[in-house]
Amino acid sequence: GAGVSQSPRYKVAKRGQDVALRCDPISGHVSLFWYQQALGQGPEFLTYFQNEAQLDKSGLPSDRFFAERPEGSVSTLKIQRTQQEDSAVYLCASSLELGQPQHFGDGTRLSIL
Amino acid sequence: SQQGEEDPQALSIQEGENATMNCSYKTSINNLQWYRQNSGRGLVHLILIRSNEREKHSGRLRVTLDTSKKSSSLLITASRAADTASYFCAPGDSWGKLQFGAGTQVVVTP
Repeated sequence: GAGVSQSPRYKVAKRGQDVALRCDPISGHVSLFWYQQALGQGPEFLTYFQNEAQLDKSGLPSDRFFAERPEGSVSTLKIQRTQQEDSAVYLCASSLELGQPQHFGDGTRLSIL
Repeated sequence: SQQGEEDPQALSIQEGENATMNCSYKTSINNLQWYRQNSGRGLVHLILIRSNEREKHSGRLRVTLDTSKKSSSLLITASRAADTASYFCAPGDSWGKLQFGAGTQVVVTP
């Protein structure tokens, strides 16, 4: 069985460009989470979904960040007008239900030049 | 904040020794989870302990939880070089939202 898959694995963009990061959760997992991890730090919560409903987006750093999960499966994290401080690893995780252990992808390493 | 804080920040031990790391948090929790992260990889779930549990075992791992002190500990017994990783605790609310600390970086030398 496949785990959580994230693409691309690495993304380099120029400041001001828009980027889209994709997450394919484990099939059947209802809950999906996005985290941002700076070098040497723990993951910081960004947002999460229960099926297609975005239940909490309090961790999104600014209105340039937008996440969606339109059909309750694949999710996309979009960052508009990227800034250098957006450089980080973006991790996606899914769980069978809320409150269950989370399964993480290997992340997308985003570098903004 | 519900964020977990791990202590120590770094731990260096030899193979065969035990490794203990601690976690403190500030608010009431539904559960507390421990994760491991190898360099360049995602996090791997190790163990979940619920707020009404005091101790849990999984293989060479032993986790304790003291809700009165708002603290938890993770013990890895008979460590191996493959245990080299960063370890994170994450207090969880009933919605499943996790707030990770900065982690404990463990290095196990052969």
